[in-house]
This record gives sequence, structure tokens and C-alpha cells, in this order.
Amino acid sequence: NAGVTQTPKFRVLKTGQSMTLLCAQDMNHEYMYWYRQDPGMGLRLIHYSVGEGTTAKGEVPDGYNVSRLKKQNFLLGLESAAPSQTSVYFCASNPRTLPSVFGQGTRLTVV
Amino acid sequence: GQQLNQSPQSMFIQEGEDVSMNCTSSSIFNTWLWYKQDPGEGPVLLIALYKAGELTSNGRLTAQFGITRKDSFLNISASIPSDVGIYFCAGNNAGGTSYGKLTFGQGTILTVHP
Repeated sequence: NAGVTQTPKFRVLKTGQSMTLLCAQDMNHEYMYWYRQDPGMGLRLIHYSVGEGTTAKGEVPDGYNVSRLKKQNFLLGLESAAPSQTSVYFCASNPRTLPSVFGQGTRLTVV
Repeated sequence: GQQLNQSPQSMFIQEGEDVSMNCTSSSIFNTWLWYKQDPGEGPVLLIALYKAGELTSNGRLTAQFGITRKDSFLNISASIPSDVGIYFCAGNNAGGTSYGKLTFGQGTILTVHP
């Protein structure tokens, strides 16, 4: 049972490049989330999804897009990366009740 | 957005000492969660609290959901070196549209000296 798996684990991007982060969960969870973690700020919600084909904005959605074409996958896209998007990104999922289970994170550096 | 104030920001303790940390909010939450994060890893759930006044233990860890629903604390007794890490509180809003969205505290960095 893999839980929540994020790929890639690390990535370095140049300003203006695009990329997609993949989150996959094998627990048949309804809800999925993308958070970013910056030093001293805890985790902040970027976007979330309450089911296949649905997405919604969180606290800090600007510069990101998401898609949930399959229930088990939640993709986070950066269309034109900026240095301010240097962060550690975490995906999480849960059924309709808490608590959330988190992936191991993706460390992204934008230079 | 909502704010969760977690304190202390960091703690340096000797092995065997007890630890206490807390979170306060300006808003009411209907769920409080405590997570631990090891370096290079994602947060791992320690304790979940679902009812105001609830006191829950998990081994050497004890957490309480405040009566006002605006605060929670976590205690660790008889600390050991593997307790080192970052501890986060997280709250979920009251209300039907919360969908499990969590608001996190800033974290408490715990260092344990052998």
C-alpha cells in the first residue's frame, strides 16, 4: 500500500519554464489537496479537489493550475515558473472525513 | 485568511524532559490535528481531535481540543532523541463546505540533546 506518491522528488527550473507535479493515491480517497511549505510559514493550501473532474482554489492559487481527470491522480501545473514559486510542495488526500495523509513532498527550485 | 499561532517556534531540551506546545486561532475549528515532520519527509499524523474538550493520548503524546474550539495543545512526556522534528498543528473549519481543508500553524522545531 503506497499511500500518497509524488513525482518528481526534486526539480530545478529556470524562470519561465513550465512543469507538472503528479500526485497519485491508492486509497480511493475522494478529496485531494496541494499545499506549499515555505520556511516559517507552515503549509498553505494552493488548490484542492473534492472529486474526479472538480477543482477549487485554496489560499494561494495564483500561478498554479490543477486537474483531476482520474480519481486517484491530482496534477499541479506551473505554466511559467517564477522564483517566488521555489518551495516544497505537498500533496495530501483523505476520504470525506479527516485526517489527511501526506506525500513525501517535491522540492522545487526556480532560478 | 485564517491565522493559527503556534508556540513556541523552537525548543531545545534534554532527553527525558517533557515538552509542551500549543496553537491558538482567531476562528473556531471543529477538528484539530497534530502532525510531525521529519527532515525531507511529509507530515505524519500524530493525534486527531474531533470534539471540544477532548483529551487524547498516543503513547507518550497527549493532546487536547480546547473548550472554546479556538486552541489546542500537545504534550510529549519523557522526550527521546527520535522526537526531533517539526511539529505542526492544523485546524479544519466548522461548516459543511470545509472539505477537509487545513489551516496550519507555523510549526515548532524540537531539538533533543542526548
